[in-house]
Amino acid sequence: GEDVEQSLFLSVREGDSSVINCTYTDSSSTYLYWYKQEPGAGLQLLTYIFSNMDMKQDQRLTVLLNKKDKHLSLRIADTQTGDSAIYFCADFSGNTGKLIFGQGTTLQVKP
Amino acid sequence: GAVVSQHPSWVICKSGTSVKIECRSLDFQATTMFWYRQFPKQSLMLMATSNEGSKATYEQGVEKDKFLINHASLTLSTLTVTSAHPEDSSFYICSARIATPYNEQFFGPGTRLTVL
Repeated sequence: GEDVEQSLFLSVREGDSSVINCTYTDSSSTYLYWYKQEPGAGLQLLTYIFSNMDMKQDQRLTVLLNKKDKHLSLRIADTQTGDSAIYFCADFSGNTGKLIFGQGTTLQVKP
Repeated sequence: GAVVSQHPSWVICKSGTSVKIECRSLDFQATTMFWYRQFPKQSLMLMATSNEGSKATYEQGVEKDKFLINHASLTLSTLTVTSAHPEDSSFYICSARIATPYNEQFFGPGTRLTVL
């Protein structure tokens, strides 16, 4: 079945860039999303990218997509302590019409 | 941006009782709503998909008689956990899909259910 994989943990210093990686297996993927979850809260949609795009930039966020390798990354420039959260990569499956989530990457930002 | 609310944000109940959780899309009409369950430090597990006016579609392994879903309007879906037991304690999150080409899904803030 379709699967989305992420590394579980990333620690960076405040002001550095963070790069969170994600791989997926779905060949019918149309859109890929990045969500942010703070403790005890729901998921906040950060950004998304259409599967025929290579890159999307939105202020401090840059999404890179390598469709051939089925690899997605989220770069956060000038990471702040407020960016500490769990980041989920999600794939919208054209086959099932459902979002398939990765396990989530916990981003720890040290002052 | 699109806002989804959930009520209550947390609930504690006794074993054997039923609990209803509401999910509302506040500023848009949702073509489809989803219910997820999240265990500590884990990803979201899709429980069911609901469309307004039709029966919910449950994922494999999710008991439809245990988790009753009613999607009464384009802005409201409810999840009722019937005869709750301690193993039903979890974080329940709903989401609503907006009818755009981008299939954006917006999530509620979640409901923490604790069954004693």
